[in-house]
This record gives sequence, C-alpha cells and structure tokens, in this order.
Amino acid sequence: DADVTQTPRNRITKTGKRIMLECSQTKGHDRMYWYRQDPGLGLRLIYYSFDVKDINKGEISDGYSVSRQAQAKFSLSLESAIPNQTALYFCATSDPLDNTDTQYFGPGTRLTVL
Amino acid sequence: EDKVVQSPLSLVVHEGDTVTLNCSYEVTNFRSLLWYKQEKKAPTFLFMLTSSGIEKKSGRLSSILDKKELFSILNITATQTGDSAVYLCAVDQAGGTSYGKLTFGQGTILTVHP
Repeated sequence: DADVTQTPRNRITKTGKRIMLECSQTKGHDRMYWYRQDPGLGLRLIYYSFDVKDINKGEISDGYSVSRQAQAKFSLSLESAIPNQTALYFCATSDPLDNTDTQYFGPGTRLTVL
Repeated sequence: EDKVVQSPLSLVVHEGDTVTLNCSYEVTNFRSLLWYKQEKKAPTFLFMLTSSGIEKKSGRLSSILDKKELFSILNITATQTGDSAVYLCAVDQAGGTSYGKLTFGQGTILTVHP
C-alpha cells in the first residue's frame, strides 16, 4: 500500500464550487505539505504543517485553506474554485529526523476547473 | 526572495549521450539541495547535497554542489529512454520554520530518444 495517498486522483469541477482534496499518510511523519504544479513552474508550496497544531502559509496560499485533522491527515480546500486553479496538486510528508531532508510525495490530484 | 533556477528547461538527446542539468539558487540560510526525478507521477528522491565538492553517485547519475558559486549540476551518463523525465531541483533552508520548507526550481524536461 502507498505510504502517502491522495483522493480524489482526478476531479473536474465548475467555477465557484467548493472542492476538498484529501491526503493521508501511514509514514508517521509530523510534517505535511501541499504543492501545486503547473507546466514550466515546478512545484509551488501552498500550505505546510509541522505538527497537528501548526499551519503555515506557503508562497501561493491565496484562494486555498487547509485543515490538519490528525497527524495522518491534511486536507486542502478551494472555497470557490476558479479556472486558474487548474493544476496538478501534490501532498508530501517529511520527517525532521530524516538525514536526507527529503519529502515523500503522494500520487497527485489532477484538478480541472471549468 | 528565495529563488531556484534550473537550466535548460528542456533537453532532447539520443540514447548513449551524456547530459548535464544545472540548478542555481539564491536563498537565505542554505541547508541542503535536493534532486528529484518525476516521471508521470510523484517526484522521487535522487540526491541530497550539503557540502561543496563532494560528488554523490548512483549508477549513471551523479551530482555535485558548489556553495561558493551557488549551483549544482546533475550528470547522467550513457542515457537510456528510461531516463526521460522531469528533473527537479529544490533547496532546503536552515533555522526555525524555514527548515523543511523546500523551494523548487521549474524543472528540466529530459527526453531521451532511442
């Protein structure tokens, strides 16, 4: 089973709709992240959480909100989706005690806003 | 503003060629630089570099960091079609809430033809 899972994997929605993307992990990591990926722009950080009580904005948080329901769950919401939020969204986790500093990514959610 | 820039943005080669991918950065309190490979799914970790001049190797892939000139290169020798992917460079920063928050470059799209 995958260590980091995301649901849904694909979603098409209309402008103005509320959308929630969910992320779950079984790695036991405290740190979780949400990124979006657009062609030619790499991955950009939306929000991150270093533990259940800690939520921080990333570089592109406008139009998004998050909820850290438990150590294993981190949800991303688009309160009123707009077309320029069409992108590939990744959730990631990391362990501050991991000497490689790496983050472990989920499979991604492809979101299309019409 | 923290910045990570990769070049070239895309590269097309034939099997057996050697390629060099570049990553330059401007960040405060540099901690480490990471390379990821992204095929049609989530990014997967390749290397973490923290010290100048120490080459990391994994099979045909190798990478080195220059902390004075603020760049890293990723070399792939004897390329194969399976090396076709997006290669992402990311920088982690030291200290406080910056640690563990990666800043990514735009990625280099590598296409290897048979």
